[in-house]
Amino acid sequence: DTAVSQTPKYLVTQMGNDKSIKCEQNLGHDTMYWYKQDSKKFLKIMFSYNNKELIINETVPNRFSPKSPDKAHLNLHINSLELGDSAVYFCASSLRTPAGEQFFGPGTRLTVL
Amino acid sequence: AQSVAQPEDQVNVAEGNPLTVKCTYSVSGNPYLFWYVQYPNRGLQFLLKYITGDNLVKGSYGFEAEFNKSQTSFHLKKPSALVSDSALYFCAVPSSNTGNQFYFGTGTSLTVIP
Repeated sequence: DTAVSQTPKYLVTQMGNDKSIKCEQNLGHDTMYWYKQDSKKFLKIMFSYNNKELIINETVPNRFSPKSPDKAHLNLHINSLELGDSAVYFCASSLRTPAGEQFFGPGTRLTVL
Repeated sequence: AQSVAQPEDQVNVAEGNPLTVKCTYSVSGNPYLFWYVQYPNRGLQFLLKYITGDNLVKGSYGFEAEFNKSQTSFHLKKPSALVSDSALYFCAVPSSNTGNQFYFGTGTSLTVIP
């Protein structure tokens, strides 16, 4: 049983296109996240949702729009893709407590040509 | 603001030797500190955490970490390195005021040489 799953695993697309990445967790967690890992492996939080409500929205372009239809899903939609959006995007989930560890999905490698 | 620092981008160690991956922290209040590992082309996996209590924390795969309040450090250790320990290691600390948003260190790439 996969705890946190993401689809697709790889995404190759042209500049200007719109794409979505889906994330699902079956851990019963109430908080989900999107992270971006760049080519230098730096990991940066993009969004955090608790019980379907946005609680963190770091400084990301508004071309990125997260959507949480329910507590188990957090999707990421990206409009007008740019070369600089190429990265690995990780979904994660946890219980909302500072002591709670996060569980990560396998990542989606996005390449914008 | 909460933050962690990993001073070494790369650590090399011979198989069978002890390994240490360093992390220092800057937090307000009592720190919660975490270590995660990322194997190639995989997501991050939780290794261990310090919440309170014993300064020596034991985690997965034989790893442990020592919380040192006077040196504000939380170094990851293992007595005998395996080639399979080669991976990217991240230290992390949760935000103090936004639930458990994590601030991750810049990562340390560990290579265990056979």
